[in-house]
Amino acid sequence: QKEVEQNSGPLSVPEGAIASLNCTYSDRGSQSFFWYRQYSGKSPELIMFIYSNGDKEDGRFTAQLNKASQYVSLLIRDSQPSDSATYLCAVRPPYNQGGKLIFGQGTELSVKP
Amino acid sequence: EAGVTQFPSHSVIEKGQTVTLRCDPISGHDNLYWYRRVMGKEIKFLLHFVKESKQDESGMPNNRFLAERTGGTYSTLKVQPAELEDSGVYFCASSQASGRLYNEQFFGPGTRLTVL
Repeated sequence: QKEVEQNSGPLSVPEGAIASLNCTYSDRGSQSFFWYRQYSGKSPELIMFIYSNGDKEDGRFTAQLNKASQYVSLLIRDSQPSDSATYLCAVRPPYNQGGKLIFGQGTELSVKP
Repeated sequence: EAGVTQFPSHSVIEKGQTVTLRCDPISGHDNLYWYRRVMGKEIKFLLHFVKESKQDESGMPNNRFLAERTGGTYSTLKVQPAELEDSGVYFCASSQASGRLYNEQFFGPGTRLTVL
């Protein structure tokens, strides 16, 4: 079992729709959770982080965390073609394992005009 | 403020040769991380420096990889001798503090290494 799992996609949504990206993780002691966006050939860019159960909203983005189910998701409302990118879920493992991030394989999102 | 920079952006070498990758973190960031993405796989952690000290090198694949961070500023990652399976994109990231729950790591553009 991979430590962090994501559907690789591609996930295709029409412009203006809600895009839902999902991620599960295996280590129940994981501390915090990050969503990075990566455009082709570019560096990963942090768009959201969450460490408490529930929802966290920032503009069109909402991160959701359910520690009991070991599940984290990212919702993108009013999706735009410029949101087309690969979205990487990253997990910070338990504290005694240092500051590294463990990444999922990424979900490719395509927003069609 | 300049972001994380990496050099070179691309490197093509023959199997058995040596390659050195460089990373310049954001000024003032004590934490520096190396990651690698092999084709078709997820980004994987290699090692973590706090200033000039190796905090965690659990992800280094073998002793052909040597990372240094002299003076706690820029870092180099040397692969000697390179093997075919070392091909991939090598990312460097830096952050201010690693001890908090929220620890934003800023990534560089990566070095694409191809071993022929």
